Amino acid sequence: AQSVTQLDSHVSVSEGTPVLLRCNYSSSYSPSLFWYVQHPNKGLQLLLKYTSAATLVKGINGFEAEFKKSETSFHLTKPSAHMSDAAEYFCVVSDPSGTSYDKVIFGPGTSLSVIP
Amino acid sequence: ETGVTQSPTHLIKTRGQQVTLRCSSQSGHNTVSWYQQALGQGPQFIFQYYREEENGRGNFPPRFSGLQFPNYSSELNVNALELDDSALYLCASSPTTGMNTEAFFGQGTRLTVV
Repeated sequence: AQSVTQLDSHVSVSEGTPVLLRCNYSSSYSPSLFWYVQHPNKGLQLLLKYTSAATLVKGINGFEAEFKKSETSFHLTKPSAHMSDAAEYFCVVSDPSGTSYDKVIFGPGTSLSVIP
Repeated sequence: ETGVTQSPTHLIKTRGQQVTLRCSSQSGHNTVSWYQQALGQGPQFIFQYYREEENGRGNFPPRFSGLQFPNYSSELNVNALELDDSALYLCASSPTTGMNTEAFFGQGTRLTVV
């Protein structure tokens, strides 16, 4: 069975400092991994995805994530936080076959606060 | 803003009632998925529709059902509402069923069951 753990329920950083949001997964397969962001009263937006190509994945708004199979991790980083980054972030793991969509698992989310 | 629209945005229902939520998918997308997001939790997959057929289902009881129409819009129906059904319901559309494809989410319908 697949599972996703987001190690911090809440992260607070100062504007201009680095962001690290941690995600660990458990999967019987070679997974596809995603990060989504959810701003208040908005739908989910895809930040980036890993689908067995390059292990360092670059996304939108300066975010990137590195897939580390040995550590079963897919941590999200950004060199310099901006006020607009304050939101809820979800790590997602999925069945790579793409045929059984009931194996899409969202993590519980990490709430990111950015202090001016 | 994605091209996925959901209606209504908010809804209050009484326990035992039935509810229908609607989703208009993005142009060119033939796949729609529905998720339930309880307060403070991540979304949980309910089911997916591809070309009007159910194509995968999460761990939800049969009183959660859906439809997809020829124009690929979709409905989520919930019968015999329970208090625990109170949540944000999210619809996502994508151009194919493969999970490697980005899903575009609507803003959701906030359902409150009293």
